[in-house]
Amino acid sequence: QVQLKETGPGLVQPTQTLSITCTISGFSLTSYYMQWVRQTPGKGLEWMGFIRSGGSTEYNSEFKSRLSISRDTSKNQVFLKMNSLKTEDTGVYYCARGGPGIPFAYWGQGTLVTVSS
Amino acid sequence: DIQMTQSPSFLSASVGERVTLSCKASQNINKYLDWYQQKLGEAPKLLIYNTNNLHTGIPSRFSGSGSGTDYTLTISSLQPEDVATYFCLQRNSWPFTFGSGTKLEIK
Repeated sequence: QVQLKETGPGLVQPTQTLSITCTISGFSLTSYYMQWVRQTPGKGLEWMGFIRSGGSTEYNSEFKSRLSISRDTSKNQVFLKMNSLKTEDTGVYYCARGGPGIPFAYWGQGTLVTVSS
Repeated sequence: DIQMTQSPSFLSASVGERVTLSCKASQNINKYLDWYQQKLGEAPKLLIYNTNNLHTGIPSRFSGSGSGTDYTLTISSLQPEDVATYFCLQRNSWPFTFGSGTKLEIK
């Protein structure tokens, strides 16, 4: 069955870089787009960006200058990296399968990231 | 960016009651509107996609409708397990944007 699971650092210091891994099973990354969505106390649910089945990416301009999404198809993993973290980046980060034209039907459990010194 | 406005922000209703939640887009989103249910501590769960398509395994008491800028999620007979926050998401154009949610409670 389709499964997604995020793993992240938990706590990150301001100005540092966040790295989160989404490990998938039950499908191929070369067949589906993978999305990143976060949920913060200040802004609620925000779409961050996606990586296409072919490997190209699109980002929300809100994050474009500091966000990078990549993948390793051999390991069934998708990666999110975001630099210059601020306290307002504290929240739960989700990976989800979906697009284009396909809804986000499968989500990981989310990983809580706290940005604090 | 397309702004999604949900109303009401909070709703209290009785078991068995018909409940209607609204989502309004700042421009036409061509029915690329999905509804999600989120319970405390859980990931969002897809209920309805492309305005009126019921996702696999979702009870038939949930339904969606709308067009253009105005969309509605209806629960025909509210059940205790429906207590959650409901979000809409537009996938018509990037950046995809979510509404701020309607928190639904049992009266």
